[in-house]
Amino acid sequence: GESVGLHLPTLSVQEGDNSIINCAYSNSASDYFIWYKQESGKGPQFIIDIRSNMDKRQGQRVTVLLNKTVKHLSLQIAATQPGDSAVYFCAENTGFQKLVFGTGTRLLVSP
Amino acid sequence: DTEVTQTPKHLVMGMTNKKSLKCEQHMGHRAMYWYKQKAKKPPELMFVYSYEKLSINESVPSRFSPECPNSSLLNLHLHALQPEDSALYLCASSQAFSGRGTDTQYFGPGTRLTVL
Repeated sequence: GESVGLHLPTLSVQEGDNSIINCAYSNSASDYFIWYKQESGKGPQFIIDIRSNMDKRQGQRVTVLLNKTVKHLSLQIAATQPGDSAVYFCAENTGFQKLVFGTGTRLLVSP
Repeated sequence: DTEVTQTPKHLVMGMTNKKSLKCEQHMGHRAMYWYKQKAKKPPELMFVYSYEKLSINESVPSRFSPECPNSSLLNLHLHALQPEDSALYLCASSQAFSGRGTDTQYFGPGTRLTVL
């Protein structure tokens, strides 16, 4: 299930399920978006990016969807594995090398 | 190779100390960044260097002083910090070929700073 509140939003899934992590961005002029994965004690790790002239981009087991009309970004992870457990951040480039990160979603994958 | 290295991994300092954080990349990137990340929060941009020149300072207090000695190195000098400055300090780099900066930023592992 998904919970939002004072704590980091958390998505709990079973191993093998598909996961969808959502993100709302703020600046309609943003033209580049990135998803990062951050494991405990580590720096953010690049997963996938998408430019504003696209609405979908696929990587290995991951897909990013961009809906500019409602300023929404999502990350889909296929066949989620325990190693996917981490905090996931979306980030938008608001211009000239300035990245603004979303609040993050914790993904918990149970075996 | 998309590696950004940071030293030290952990740092504990008193409010009167002077210390420095170091960041290095050998990917030929010409933009380098400092971010601050508090627990359970997203990274927040502090500084951007582009071609070894400071291009963005996000109104960071002067007790944080960045330095870019060459295209591979980025330092963050710390002086008279406060306990609320305790955080994970992240360095990142990108190619900076695009004028709008739509280049992927690659992050180091961070330095966990504790100010007593």
